[in-house]
Amino acid sequence: SQELEQSPQSLIVQEGKNLTINCTSSKTLYGLYWYKQKYGEGLIFLMMLQKGGEEKSHEKITAKLDEKKQQSSLHITASQPSHAGIYLCGADKGSGNTGKLIFGQGTTLQVKP
Amino acid sequence: DAGITQSPRHKVTETGTPVTLRCHQTENHRYMYWYRQDPGHGLRLIHYSYGVKDTDKGEVSDGYSVSRSKTEDFLLTLESATSSQTSVYFCAISGQGTLGGYTFGSGTRLTVV
Repeated sequence: SQELEQSPQSLIVQEGKNLTINCTSSKTLYGLYWYKQKYGEGLIFLMMLQKGGEEKSHEKITAKLDEKKQQSSLHITASQPSHAGIYLCGADKGSGNTGKLIFGQGTTLQVKP
Repeated sequence: DAGITQSPRHKVTETGTPVTLRCHQTENHRYMYWYRQDPGHGLRLIHYSYGVKDTDKGEVSDGYSVSRSKTEDFLLTLESATSSQTSVYFCAISGQGTLGGYTFGSGTRLTVV
């Protein structure tokens, strides 16, 4: 079965610094989703990537899916305290629209002012 | 928010007692899901539904049952709660399976003592 591995597991950065979170799959990804979770709250959808080489940006967050569709990265530029939280990648469990998402274990981000 | 609510938000129960968590949506989405979130494990799928009275097991379904008698409600029942079921439970909905991702509820924090 497919698994998603995120790295690093946790990250502490100084405000204003750039950072990258990676999500690696054991199989080809047919849709990769990034979510953010604040402590004690639900998950908020950030971005979805489907095509190899695809890149999307929203404000200071950029997500990329590699050409082989087995790895995605989430890059935050000039981090702010508001970026703190848990970032999770998710992907379809199978090779298409199985209706079920699996998730990585999450990356906890702290941003020091 | 996106028309998905979970109840209760917090619950403390004793070992051996039955517990039912409710997920209610106003989006008329076909797919509904129950996940649990635990440190080091990320989100793991318990059960899901792809229509009224159509449900299936996820990866951690032991000790849990679900019912969906109406499109808008998806109930998760712990038949006899155990301490290992202490967790944060999230409901999610989707109109197209994994296409387009999920919308998550705010979560239910369950403690079994």
